[in-house]
Order: sequence, then C-alpha cells, then structure tokens
Amino acid sequence: GIQVEQSPPDLILQEGANSTLRCNFSDSVNNLQWFHQNPWGQLINLFYIPSGTKQNGRLSATTVATERYSLLYISSSQTTDSGVYFCAVDRPNTGNQFYFGTGTSLTVIP
Amino acid sequence: DAGVTQSPTHLIKTRGQQVTLRCSPKSGHDTVSWYQQALGQGPQFIFQYYEEEERQRGNFPDRFSGHQFPNYSSELNVNALLLGDSALYLCASSLFTMAANYGYTFGSGTRLTVV
Repeated sequence: GIQVEQSPPDLILQEGANSTLRCNFSDSVNNLQWFHQNPWGQLINLFYIPSGTKQNGRLSATTVATERYSLLYISSSQTTDSGVYFCAVDRPNTGNQFYFGTGTSLTVIP
Repeated sequence: DAGVTQSPTHLIKTRGQQVTLRCSPKSGHDTVSWYQQALGQGPQFIFQYYEEEERQRGNFPDRFSGHQFPNYSSELNVNALLLGDSALYLCASSLFTMAANYGYTFGSGTRLTVV
C-alpha cells in the first residue's frame, strides 16, 4: 500500500501562534483529505484537497501532487484546535480505500 | 439531519469471544466503510460495503466480516477475538457516486477492549 508520513508527530503551541503540519505520501493519489480527531474520537473532515490550495477561516491547506506532499496551516491557534490531525489519501481505482498517516498531535495551551 | 451513528460506544469482551458492532450511515448516504484505529495510530481500512456487497477489503483476516442491510446500515463482526483486536472501530459513510468529491462522514466510534 501507499505510505503516508506526517510531521511533526507532536506539537505544543501557545494560544495565538501559527503552525504548519506536513503530510508526505509515497505514490500518486486520487484524493487527499485532512481530518481533525477530537478527544472523543470523532474524525471531522477539514479539507478535501487532491491539489491546489483551499482556505476555511483560520485553516488553509495546500497540496502539491507532483511533489507528493500536502500542508495544513493553522493560524491564530485556539485551545479548541487541540487534538490529532490526520492526512488520508486514496489511490486511483481503489474505490475510496483511504490510507491514513500516523497523525500530528496538537496541544494548544492558553 | 442525523450523522453517522455507531453502537455500542464502549464494549469489553473476553479473548476468544465474538463481537458485533453496528453503524447507521448519515441520511442520504449509501456506502459504509469500517476502519480500525489502534491506540496512537491512524485508522486502518477494514472493508467497504455498497449495495449490500463487500466492495473493497483491506489487509484484515477472515475473522473480520461484515454485512450491509437494505436500509444501508451495517454490521462489523469479529470472531475469535484476540488481545490485539482492542481498538477504536470507526464507521464512515458516503455517497458512492460522490465520495471522490466529498469524502467521508465518520461516526464517533466503538471502543472495543479485549481482556
């Protein structure tokens, strides 16, 4: 299967700081999504972004498919941003079988 | 509009037993995918059901089986439980023809502990 690596594995930020999370993948992908997993375990879809740049409020994401990486930017972080962020990709012709990275655990302190 | 509902939320089973987990997809969705998430890891794909058939399967043994009902709800069955099956089991629903554009909606999961 495809390898998905995320960095950094852990991140601690002061409230108000900015951060960049990175996702590298080892092969061509059909889709790429960013998720936030809250402390109760639920995965919330942040972005569907197989290529290009998207923004949603304080969050934005960029995927450079030709170089096999994606970045998630969090600006003016808040304590509610804490949790684990996952990148997930699926390969062409696999029927939306997503491969997840090991995640970045973010803690935002007041 | 109800999201994805999973039951039970927590479960404790003994090694060797069998377990059934249940999932009701988001209203309007017709496809259910199951994932296993071990502690500290990302979710791993188990299988996907559409039109009451298993369409895709990940690298999981035959002890893991599933079913989809005419109302699109789904069950995940695990036989002969091992300690290593302890994990959060996540269900995700999607619209088969649109999943490529909009991805999944996940439930909150079932936390299975095997003792």
